[in-house]
Amino acid sequence: QKEVEQNSGPLSVPEGAIASLNCTYSDRGSQSFFWYRQYSGKSPELIMFIYSNGDKEDGRFTAQLNKASQYVSLLIRDSQPSDSATYLCAVNTGRRALTFGSGTRLQVQP
Amino acid sequence: DTGVSQDPRHKITKRGQNVTFRCDPISEHNRLYWYRQTLGQGPEFLTYFQNEAQLEKSRLLSDRFSAERPKGSFSTLEIQRTEQGDSAMYLCASSLRADDTGELFFGEGSRLTVL
Repeated sequence: QKEVEQNSGPLSVPEGAIASLNCTYSDRGSQSFFWYRQYSGKSPELIMFIYSNGDKEDGRFTAQLNKASQYVSLLIRDSQPSDSATYLCAVNTGRRALTFGSGTRLQVQP
Repeated sequence: DTGVSQDPRHKITKRGQNVTFRCDPISEHNRLYWYRQTLGQGPEFLTYFQNEAQLEKSRLLSDRFSAERPKGSFSTLEIQRTEQGDSAMYLCASSLRADDTGELFFGEGSRLTVL
């Protein structure tokens, strides 16, 4: 079992729709959770982090964490073509470096 | 530009040759990380430094790989006797915070192609 699992996609949504990206992790002791966005040919950039159960909103982005279910999600409201990218879930599993999932590729259709 | 800088951006080498990558982190960032990323995969952790001390190495980092961060500033990642399986993007990231909750700032990466 991978430590951080994501559906590779692609996830295709129409412009203006809500995109829902999911991530599960295996280490129950994980404390902090991150979503990075990676455009094709570019390096990852942080868009959200969450430490506590519940929802955290930042503009069009909402991160959701459920530690009991070991589940993290990212919702993107009013999706735009510029949101088309690979979204990487990263988890602090107790080691000193983040563990990344393989990413979900999002395509927003104009 | 005060971001993380990596050099070279691209390196093509023949199998068996040695290669070295350099990373200049954001000034005053204590932690420096090396990750490797192949197509369709997320970044895989290789090693990290807290100032000049190398604190953790992944099992992915074979004896052919060595990393240094002299004086706690820039870092180098050397791969000896390269193999075709070493072809990947090598990403450097730095973090200001000394705990495990900080944001990682990534450089643009050094792409290695081993022929």
